[in-house]
This record gives sequence, structure tokens and C-alpha cells, in this order.
Amino acid sequence: DQQVKQNSPSLSVQEGRISILNCDYTNSMFDYFLWYKKYPAEGPTFLISISSIKDKNEDGRFTVFLNKSAKHLSLHIVPSQPGDSAVYFCAASQRGGSNYKLTFGKGTLLTVNP
Amino acid sequence: GAVVSQHPSRVICKSGTSVKIECRSLDFQATTMFWYRQFPKQSLMLMATSNEGSKATYEQGVEKDKFLINHASLTLSTLTVTSAHPEDSSFYICSARRTYGYTFGSGTRLTVV
Repeated sequence: DQQVKQNSPSLSVQEGRISILNCDYTNSMFDYFLWYKKYPAEGPTFLISISSIKDKNEDGRFTVFLNKSAKHLSLHIVPSQPGDSAVYFCAASQRGGSNYKLTFGKGTLLTVNP
Repeated sequence: GAVVSQHPSRVICKSGTSVKIECRSLDFQATTMFWYRQFPKQSLMLMATSNEGSKATYEQGVEKDKFLINHASLTLSTLTVTSAHPEDSSFYICSARRTYGYTFGSGTRLTVV
């Protein structure tokens, strides 16, 4: 039972354009969402997060949108750069429960072409 | 910023031997650490939650006798893979919870031959 789903295993974008990575979740108890970037054989690096009390959070080129009614969030990267090429994981947690453990999606491989 | 040091980064061991992986929070105290396992092209699967000074909480399907977790101090958690078999070969990652967010170690590639 996959509670966090990233249905696109890969995405290819041209440099300078917008990258949109999508994530869906099924557990309505999740109230905190995070995006991580990961290179092969390395640990994930935190990018941006959003609490369920917000519908948007922005940090530089990265913006995360949350649609609670649809149980959907997305990460927008604009403009995309070749260095953004990596696997992006969406993660969710229920703060205050279960030791704040994170549930991850399967990841989306983003390739930004020069 | 908060740093989590994980080592070794890669280890090759013989079948039947045990391997210990260390995870240290370098500049903060981590009362809770998490251990994940990642198979190729798969998600990070939570194995267990490690709380300082108490027994780890294992996820369903994870053998606690095979994957021994110790969190003896606020800055160190260890995962020992006992009697390793080739199917235990994987990428293991630790994570420490901070007040605002989580910091991940750089991972350990375990190969059992």
C-alpha cells in the first residue's frame, strides 16, 4: 500500500524551462511534506517543505504547491538548470505521530538538457 | 548547518559475517534517528526508528534480530547487519530528526559476496 506516489519515473526538460514534479498521497493524516534531491550513491538533500496549513511555499527557484483536497503536491523548478538533474523524492509525515517518520515516494528522475 | 556523518560509505563482506554501519550527528543532538534501505530505482524504505536510550521500533517485515540498531548516545546510532547474505546487499541510509526537518547521511553501499 503506497501512501506516497510519484507516478512519473522520469522527466526530461530543456535548460531554462520549468520542471514540474508531481506527487500524490493517500493518507489524510499527513500534514507535512518535503522534497528531496538525490544523486546516485549519496544521501538525499533537503530542498523545500510545506506544512498543510499552507498551499504554497517558495525558496528561490523552487516552489512547492499543495492541494489538500486533491491530496496532491507539486514541485516547480524555474528556470531549470543542468545541475538540477537528479532523482527527486517526495516525502510526507504526520507531525506528532509515529516519531515523525517520513514516507517516501519512489522518486522521479529529472534530466535537464543543456 | 546540521551534518550527519555516515560510514563506511561502502563495504564488501563475505556471506555469514556481520557489518556495522555508524551514523553520527556532528553538530546537533538527535534523539531520533531513522534507518532506510533503498533498492535500485526504488523508494527509500524505512526499516526502523531509533530512539536514544530505548529500543528501536522496527517496521513491519524487518527482522529485528538481523538488523540490530543501537542508539546509545544523542549523537550516535549504529545499524549492524548480522549474518549477512547476498540479498542484504543494498544502499542503507540514516537520517536524524532535528527541530525543523531531517538531515540524511551520505549512505552506505553494502555488498555481500
